[in-house]
Amino acid sequence: RKEVEQDPGPFNVPEGATVAFNCTYSNSASQSFFWYRQDCRKEPKLLMSVYSSGNEDGRFTAQLNRASQYISLLIRDSKLSDSATYLCVVRGSGGSNYKLTFGKGTLLTVNP
Amino acid sequence: NAGVTQTPKFRILKIGQSMTLQCTQDMNHNYMYWYRQDPGMGLKLIYYSVGAGITDKGEVPNGYNVSRSTTEDFPLRLELAAPSQTSVYFCASRYLAHGDYAEAFFGQGTRLTVV
Repeated sequence: RKEVEQDPGPFNVPEGATVAFNCTYSNSASQSFFWYRQDCRKEPKLLMSVYSSGNEDGRFTAQLNRASQYISLLIRDSKLSDSATYLCVVRGSGGSNYKLTFGKGTLLTVNP
Repeated sequence: NAGVTQTPKFRILKIGQSMTLQCTQDMNHNYMYWYRQDPGMGLKLIYYSVGAGITDKGEVPNGYNVSRSTTEDFPLRLELAAPSQTSVYFCASRYLAHGDYAEAFFGQGTRLTVV
């Protein structure tokens, strides 16, 4: 099992659609979880952290299921500006707590 | 507030040449990282540093070297460039005292082509 595995995509959705991305991680001791967003030919930027209780930021909802080692990101009412690659990121634990492991990313295109 | 600054943004190298990718951050972050990103692939960790004077290898360190003489600077050195090092390189920094959810800030990237 890969350390961090994401839906391969790409996802093409119309404006206003709801879209969900899934991510699994292999190390059950992993401590922290994030979704980063990367626009074409740009650097990754933090979209949101993923807390154990789940969290919401406007149209974005992140969920964590530690038992299944699964993370999700839900985007409601998609906008054209949401078009980007979404990266699932997991931080290690113990001696690997410095380490941020990135998934390959899922490309989202929102169409008018 | 500059954040993380990388130079150059683009570079073409010939096989066997050497170069240094510069990275500096002005946020007093203790952790700094170098990643490479190949098309369709995730970011792979090359080297990281937990503070001035301390560096360690990541997943793909071969062909690269780093140093961290100050908190601010973390240059990446490519010796004897090879076509396999054609990639986009990102420098990043984090402040670990900000806790488990400390955000990583990235530079704008360096697009390197080795021909």
